[in-house]
Amino acid sequence: DGGITQSPKYLFRKEGQNVTLSCEQNLNHDAMYWYRQDPGQGLRLIYYSQIVNDFQKGDIAEGYSVSREKKESFPLTVTSAQKNPTAFYLCASNSLLEGVDYGYTFGSGTRLTVV
Amino acid sequence: SQQGEEDPQALSIQEGENATMNCSYKTSINNLQWYRQNSGRGLVHLILIRSNEREKHSGRLRVTLDTSKKSSSLLITASRAADTASYFCATDEETSGSRLTFGEGTQLTVNP
Repeated sequence: DGGITQSPKYLFRKEGQNVTLSCEQNLNHDAMYWYRQDPGQGLRLIYYSQIVNDFQKGDIAEGYSVSREKKESFPLTVTSAQKNPTAFYLCASNSLLEGVDYGYTFGSGTRLTVV
Repeated sequence: SQQGEEDPQALSIQEGENATMNCSYKTSINNLQWYRQNSGRGLVHLILIRSNEREKHSGRLRVTLDTSKKSSSLLITASRAADTASYFCATDEETSGSRLTFGEGTQLTVNP
């Protein structure tokens, strides 16, 4: 089955610690995205990548870093510079082909909590 | 930045009734999409409507788009308890490439 896998499902971070969230897709999608969702709110874009070895900042990139060394993988690191990292993190991907109407495919999310 | 604003923020209806959610946006778009999110889960794509389309149907879903008013509506007919979820609109802006900007969502509760 094709899809996006995010791991872990739950993650606890201590103050001052960096943590990395995994996102892997087997859909052969060109573009991948990381969004943050806070309780009762919409999604805010952290970073996105449309091609291997290239990525762009979204609206709230401060305190986060990403890499795109393989088409299938787009890990997100939440650094100690991110002062309020407790949130639900969602990874998504999509095809950049013209005429494609199926939108983004999302993973099931990682819930990060600072302890 | 949040482009889409959804209305209402919350909606509670009885099974069998229709549910209508609205979305307004600010800039020119290539397309507008609607997604559904069950509590604590990822989003699921429901339907995409292009800027040159006015109405689109998919099963019990009907989406309209009015680019002159920069607004869209999602109608779910004959609702079921399983339709209980949050619904988000997302816009693919003309100047943003492939990135989507999401609204804050409408929480729909369908009571059995």
